[in-house]
Amino acid sequence: NAGVTQTPKFQVLKTGQSMTLQCAQDMNHEYMSWYRQDPGMGLRLIHYSVGAGITDQGEVPNGYNVSRSTTEDFPLRLLSAAPSQTSVYFCASGPRDTGELFFGEGSRLTVL
Amino acid sequence: EDQVTQSPEALRLQEGESSSLNCSYTVSGLRGLFWYRQDPGKGPEFLFTLYSAGEEKEKERLKATLTKKESFLHITAPKPEDSATYLCAVRGASGGSYIPTFGRGTSLIVHP
Repeated sequence: NAGVTQTPKFQVLKTGQSMTLQCAQDMNHEYMSWYRQDPGMGLRLIHYSVGAGITDQGEVPNGYNVSRSTTEDFPLRLLSAAPSQTSVYFCASGPRDTGELFFGEGSRLTVL
Repeated sequence: EDQVTQSPEALRLQEGESSSLNCSYTVSGLRGLFWYRQDPGKGPEFLFTLYSAGEEKEKERLKATLTKKESFLHITAPKPEDSATYLCAVRGASGGSYIPTFGRGTSLIVHP
């Protein structure tokens, strides 16, 4: 099984550019989420979704947008990249009832 | 608000030297305590879920235990390949009960 697949693995952007981080899962999980991980800050929740057509904000949503048109896909859009968005981004999915999460390999984003 | 504190932040062990990692938590209505392992440059990998005080789970050299205020991850006779960051997370019954709260992790290095 592929599990959770994130693309791209690495990306360099200039300030003000926009881009989309892709996330796909093949486990039919209802719950999907995006985290950013920064040194000393741990994992911080950006946005999450409990099913197709349903999204909600997490702890640090500003500057990011999400949509969930299918169960499998949960893309994260950076609207106008800022240096403060330099980070490693993780997509995670899981069954809604049991709570465990399955993470992708991560996307390392640098904003110059 | 759910809170998770992990200690120590970093731990260095010699191969074969058993020890424990601590995860202290406050949560309104525990709906699961989760342990993850994260290798450098990778996404977290799910290890265990514990639901109630007194519960224990084992996997190879790892054993997770749970009380009403904390969880321990016991590592017996560790090997260098056990080196990783170990993350603890809790999910409570309040608010967005799908969302786990993560601690900042314990970085474990096992020297040969």
